[in-house]
Amino acid sequence: DAKTTQPPSMDCAEGRAANLPCNHSTISGNEYVYWYRQIHSQGPQYIIHGLKNNETNEMASLIITEDRKSSTLILPHATLRDTAVYYCIVRVGSNFGNEKLTFGTGTRLTIIP
Amino acid sequence: EAGVVQSPRYKIIEKKQPVAFWCNPISGHNTLYWYRQNLGQGPELLIRYENEEAVDDSQLPKDRFSAERLKGVDSTLKIQPAELGDSAVYLCASSPGRDFNTDTQYFGPGTRLTVL
Repeated sequence: DAKTTQPPSMDCAEGRAANLPCNHSTISGNEYVYWYRQIHSQGPQYIIHGLKNNETNEMASLIITEDRKSSTLILPHATLRDTAVYYCIVRVGSNFGNEKLTFGTGTRLTIIP
Repeated sequence: EAGVVQSPRYKIIEKKQPVAFWCNPISGHNTLYWYRQNLGQGPELLIRYENEEAVDDSQLPKDRFSAERLKGVDSTLKIQPAELGDSAVYLCASSPGRDFNTDTQYFGPGTRLTVL
């Protein structure tokens, strides 16, 4: 699986959009970009994933550059409950799925009141 | 829908003692994972089950760690004997099975192990 690079920490004001970057310059054509987050003392929580196109769900939006070498997770209106460590993970998709997730150290996002 | 259940949430033992962690996945989920998370690091996979079969245990330290999922539902992870370096959070996750479109992994709250 391709390696990802994320800033170790970021701050964002409550109510503003939080934009979390991720570099994955060695990503292969069959690799997806996944985002998970981990709130203190909880297990990781799935947020969103994508291959080429931008994706949006009730939690966030995922913007993937045209060359797929980087992506940005957007939390449109950050709240204090969004304070967590955010992991960007690149992994191969398959018909079987269910392969392991290779976590890095993530970005610690702090939402400031 | 109930999430992934793990017990105990916290465990403190002395080195060389045995310890066991239990996980009950989401109902109907065929795939079960055990991860270990050291302080300040992301989780790392220890073992993955498809039903009752361990399909990836390459990262499991087999000299002291063992796991089982006898009926393809709940699972137990055991360490015997525990060492100081085993202090970590042990996370269990499950996913529905062989359907890529729904292969999201759902994690339990973890068991925090402290070895003294």
